[in-house]
Amino acid sequence: KAGVTQTPRYLIKTRGQQVTLSCSPISGHRSVSWYQQTPGQGLQFLFEYFSETQRNKGNFPGRFSGRQFSNSRSEMNVSTLELGDSALYLCASSWRETQYFGPGTRLLVL
Amino acid sequence: AQSVTQLDSQVPVFEEAPVELRCNYSSSVSVYLFWYVQYPNQGLQLLLKYLSGSTLVKGINGFEAEFNKSQTSFHLRKPSVHISDTAEYFCAVSDREIKAAGNKLTFGGGTRVLVKP
Repeated sequence: KAGVTQTPRYLIKTRGQQVTLSCSPISGHRSVSWYQQTPGQGLQFLFEYFSETQRNKGNFPGRFSGRQFSNSRSEMNVSTLELGDSALYLCASSWRETQYFGPGTRLLVL
Repeated sequence: AQSVTQLDSQVPVFEEAPVELRCNYSSSVSVYLFWYVQYPNQGLQLLLKYLSGSTLVKGINGFEAEFNKSQTSFHLRKPSVHISDTAEYFCAVSDREIKAAGNKLTFGGGTRVLVKP
């Protein structure tokens, strides 16, 4: 089976812009989770979607949002970008209790 | 609420020597336990997991971990490391009640392993 894919892999934006990241889960996986990884805060949970519904949400401001489509693909959106949003954004798809991660999207906000 | 503490932020080790990475967790509910590895500029790769049963879990690349419920620990070990084991290692936990709580991983801060020749 193909693994989790994330697009784009690299992205440069400026403050105030918005960005949309995409994640395609492993075939058959219905749960998709998103994480932010920064040197200062480490790996932090953003949100999880299961069958197109947000099932869990981390402590991030409302500028961070996501959605899941009927084919389980997921997108996350960050509006009004701030310098502190520069990070590696990781998507994971789940089979039961186990999460499998994609390669991540590295976002740089200038 | 859950928290994970990885006691060593960096571990230098010589090639072919053993290594142990320590992980302690705190949780008010029963959890699943995981170790992931991250190579430079890559995502996370699952090394091993503890779901139930035997407390000694074997994973990929010769790694193993032991779950100790009384000490709430899940330490990772490898008897002989290779240069290619140079990476960052993350311990993580998730709530067993996935249907109710969702599937959320709480990670430790990571341990950087540097294998020296």
